[in-house]
Amino acid sequence: KQEVTQIPAALSVPEGENLVLNCSFTDSAIYNLQWFRQDPGKGLTSLLLIQSSQREQTSGRLNASLDKSSGRSTLYIAASQPGDSATYLCAVTPGSSGGYQKVTFGTGTKLQVIP
Amino acid sequence: KAGVTQTPRYLIKTRGQQVTLSCSPISGHRSVSWYQQTPGQGLQFLFEYFSETQRNKGNFPGRFSGRQFSNSRSEMNVSTLELGDSALYLCASSMGGHTGELFFGEGSRLTVL
Repeated sequence: KQEVTQIPAALSVPEGENLVLNCSFTDSAIYNLQWFRQDPGKGLTSLLLIQSSQREQTSGRLNASLDKSSGRSTLYIAASQPGDSATYLCAVTPGSSGGYQKVTFGTGTKLQVIP
Repeated sequence: KAGVTQTPRYLIKTRGQQVTLSCSPISGHRSVSWYQQTPGQGLQFLFEYFSETQRNKGNFPGRFSGRQFSNSRSEMNVSTLELGDSALYLCASSMGGHTGELFFGEGSRLTVL
């Protein structure tokens, strides 16, 4: 059974800092890994999608990397801003034939960026 | 291009009642998946539909059911509601392949009294 863990569970940083969020998964047989942000009481907003054959993806100040062999992904946020405050979730799509969209989510990292 | 639309956004029910939630996916997307989010259990997969067929189901009791229509819109139903069913129910749509990116709606917040 795939298990996805995110450390730390909560993080508070001053504005302007660069930061790294971590995501670990136990089964390396995945099709892709996706990073989301969730604002309180809202749905999930897709940030980056990394296919299993890719090593990293970039969008603006965000960079996500994937190391399947070690079961890890990181989300790097450059020059953090108060608007980045949210809960960040990673999700993996399993590589088994029956795994269509049976996605497993991580436990989330709650980020607070202090002005 | 319209996003994923979920209705209703908020609802309050009492134990024993049933509820139906609706999800309209992004135009052209054929896969719809449903998730339950609670503070204690996080996000948990309920089921996924593609072209009106359920392809996957999570570990939830039979009180939770769903369906998908020919226009890809989906509904989920929870019968005989329990207090523990209070949660944010999220729907996601995608093109449907293994490598598809998921796009989520704002969710339906269910409170069971």
